[in-house]
Amino acid sequence: QSALTQPPSASGSPGQSVTISCTGTSSDVGGYNYVSWYQQHPGKAPRLMIYEVSKRPSGVPDRFSGSKSDNTASLTVSGLQAEDEADYYCSSYAGSNNFFYVFGTGTKVTV
Amino acid sequence: QVQLVESGGGVVQPGTSLRLSCAASGFTFSNYGMHWVRQAPGKGLEWVAVISYDGSDKYYADSVKGRFTISRDNSKNMLYLQMNGLRVEDTAVFYCAKDSNHCSGGSCSSLDYWGQGVLVTVSS
Repeated sequence: QSALTQPPSASGSPGQSVTISCTGTSSDVGGYNYVSWYQQHPGKAPRLMIYEVSKRPSGVPDRFSGSKSDNTASLTVSGLQAEDEADYYCSSYAGSNNFFYVFGTGTKVTV
Repeated sequence: QVQLVESGGGVVQPGTSLRLSCAASGFTFSNYGMHWVRQAPGKGLEWVAVISYDGSDKYYADSVKGRFTISRDNSKNMLYLQMNGLRVEDTAVFYCAKDSNHCSGGSCSSLDYWGQGVLVTVSS
């Protein structure tokens, strides 16, 4: 039941873009379109930013976008703002006959 | 608005038990799957367990299987996590989270609302 692999850190200047990768296997990321991304500020609960690979919940700025290719999902934050500085976690459904649900290792985004 | 409020955390000794509760409001609780997710101090998120909308399907992470039990009371809009045989490595903030789907037969989607979390410390 290994976590999905994310880079430990990413950074960008205000107004720039940053892309975070999330690598799994054909049993999780590659096997289902149930990849989500969560933002977590220090001491706060996670917030859903992207679901089902590329959909944005209401209230999430369109600066946040998601995609997937084979076993790797990606989150792109365009037009970086100071408030985007946070930890970001991907997650994937892995099947009811597998380990069901798995999170990524997390990426600290610095603006 | 959706609210999830966890309670029941605290400091316990290894080998003992604890039951966490999560009070839900602002949505039709009986229509959605519910999860427990934990986060050890300074570490990442770890999925713990999920229960389907009607309580008929439950799934657990290998790390807690056989020790933790997830349950729900739809008449009270409550989610629970019974934790037995606690270990030092179970020390974490535990979050309850609502799924955007019913999770019947494993049909879960994403965790769209989260509680503020409750701290469980296992220490001798």
